[in-house]
Amino acid sequence: IVLMQSPATLSLSPGESATLSCRASQIIGSIYFAWYQQKPGQAPRVLIYGASSRATGIPDRFSGSWSGTNFALTINRLEPEDSAIYFCQQYAGSPETFGQGTRLEIK
Amino acid sequence: QVQLVESGPGLLKPSQTLSLTCTVSGGSISSGDYYWSWIRQHSEKGLEWIGYIHYKENPYNNPSLKGRISISVDTSRNQFSLNLLSVTAADTAVYYCARGGGHHHFDFWGQGAPVTVSS
Repeated sequence: IVLMQSPATLSLSPGESATLSCRASQIIGSIYFAWYQQKPGQAPRVLIYGASSRATGIPDRFSGSWSGTNFALTINRLEPEDSAIYFCQQYAGSPETFGQGTRLEIK
Repeated sequence: QVQLVESGPGLLKPSQTLSLTCTVSGGSISSGDYYWSWIRQHSEKGLEWIGYIHYKENPYNNPSLKGRISISVDTSRNQFSLNLLSVTAADTAVYYCARGGGHHHFDFWGQGAPVTVSS
């Protein structure tokens, strides 16, 4: 299952909202979909699993949604610390696959 | 809080075997219904799932790595390991171990082990 993320790069200002997209090449169960955040020099951190459930400790500024094969991560009230690369991932079918990432820059 | 730490050599020559170990603390590798995975990243983009293991089951590997992978578990040491045969420069990456796989997201990750393959 191929995951295509868009846009590749997103540049926004603090306080704005960001919507990151991920399209799957085939229908997958929404419960088997996650979003991760990765900052330089760090391992990825899960933000959202099951397409819309926030992981422990993740603020409610982060939310996930989906429709068909299209998944979205919305980040409200952007903060400078949100600058990172965001990856989507499906774990419905093997091999488990990741999108190529969206780089979010907060200026 | 589950913690994972990768260990192993950071530099290999082509054709050698990469051996990495992931030591798990804060939880037993043989409790619950968790799978334990290896994932690699060739740059700050491009995450690739390598394979996973469950302490009661055979490991499952990414077919793209064409049978070069061996994943094993040592419950007495609370560790799981990766062997990658016949490495080439294309295997240069940061290797992560993580809890998850098998219909479960990756909720805990190691800090990553950079591996370089160079002659």
